[in-house]
Amino acid sequence: GAGVSQSPRYKVAKRGQDVALRCDPISGHVSLFWYQQALGQGPEFLTYFQNEAQLDKSGLPSDRFFAERPEGSVSTLKIQRTQQEDSAVYLCASSLGGTGAGETQYFGPGTRLLVL
Amino acid sequence: AQSVSQHNHHVILSEAASLELGCNYSYGGTVNLFWYVQYPGQHLQLLLKYFSGDPLVKGIKGFEAEFIKSKFSFNLRKPSVQWSDTAEYFCAVKAAGNKLTFGGGTRVLVKP
Repeated sequence: GAGVSQSPRYKVAKRGQDVALRCDPISGHVSLFWYQQALGQGPEFLTYFQNEAQLDKSGLPSDRFFAERPEGSVSTLKIQRTQQEDSAVYLCASSLGGTGAGETQYFGPGTRLLVL
Repeated sequence: AQSVSQHNHHVILSEAASLELGCNYSYGGTVNLFWYVQYPGQHLQLLLKYFSGDPLVKGIKGFEAEFIKSKFSFNLRKPSVQWSDTAEYFCAVKAAGNKLTFGGGTRVLVKP
């Protein structure tokens, strides 16, 4: 079946603009994660959903970042009043279950955001 | 909070050479450990994972990793690399909760 898809793949925004990044997880996957990957670094956790419930948002860097998954499938990560330090690749991942040991997270291609 | 360190940022080697990438983590409790690979222009893919049982884990494409609990390590190995193994490799830990904590990655270049 299809993997995790993300759109847009590339986004250029002017500083101060709002952006919305979309993630379509693998069908039937309960868990959905967002990560931020700065240039030359490993991905860093932002937030986690189990179905429509946002169970962990400890990694969101500021209140300008907001994520939702209203129907338990597609998720949107919104960044308000973008800043240059928000420039990064935003990765979405999904996994089949909830809290099982060894659950594999499947990653999408990412959205590369550049804030000018 | 847990952290993951990958000792080598860049590795360059020739085809048929052996590869070993180091990964150490800091967390005292039960962990699940993962190695992901990102080939040029592609998304992150799982190479292998450890969550219980035999500490020597075999993954895809001839890779293996050994979990040494006393050393908090999960090093990745491949006896003989190919040009197609050129990629960036990430070690990741899942401890408390469901999030993955990644190392900074190691870029591997295999010269033909």
